[in-house]
Amino acid sequence: DIQMTQSPSSLSASVGDRVTITCRASQTVSTNLNWYQQKPGKAPKILIYTASSLATGVPSRFSGSGSGTDFTLTISSLQPEDFATYYCQQSYSSRWAFGQGTKVEIK
Amino acid sequence: EVQLVESGGGLVQPGGSLRLSCVASGFTLNANWMHWVRQAPGKGLMWVSRINTDGSITTYADSVKGRFTISRDNAKNTVYLQMNSLKDEDTAVYYCARDRNFCSSVSCGRWVDPWGQGTLVTVSS
Repeated sequence: DIQMTQSPSSLSASVGDRVTITCRASQTVSTNLNWYQQKPGKAPKILIYTASSLATGVPSRFSGSGSGTDFTLTISSLQPEDFATYYCQQSYSSRWAFGQGTKVEIK
Repeated sequence: EVQLVESGGGLVQPGGSLRLSCVASGFTLNANWMHWVRQAPGKGLMWVSRINTDGSITTYADSVKGRFTISRDNAKNTVYLQMNSLKDEDTAVYYCARDRNFCSSVSCGRWVDPWGQGTLVTVSS
């Protein structure tokens, strides 16, 4: 099965900061890589699909890049509502897998 | 409005069974693959299972294969997860989610959106 590894597991940042989260797959997933945001007590929401496509209604400060095994989620200017946990997820294989999550906290 | 509502969670003893339901509204269920994803308390997301549009194709995570069964009744707009031989480590919030897909000229991709609000399953003696 394909394993997904995110880094860092957590980070502290200030409003206005540029934030980058990385996701690595144990084997190629092509561009079958998605990013989700989850806030405490809530269900996850799609942010980015197929590595770089912005989901409907998601602010343009969010962007995704990468292909193969290495991917990046970037928040260009962190806003108060962006403090949350972010997960990458591969849909390349029939058994999907999520990364362990990256918690973005207020500095 | 597209909506998914899960139910059926609760407290069950190890070795017991539980059936979760996910009722869909605001879209045509029989046009979509569906997934179950779980989240143990304080932990990350774990994909559990998926089912195709007519129920003829199902896939499971290794940790639940042989114990869990996903099914659907399109006439009732409902997807199910039958969970047998439950273990302590199955304790989690269980979410159902709709499969989405997109193909460009060079590649195709799948993701899930939206998710239900989740239902809590607690396995404990």
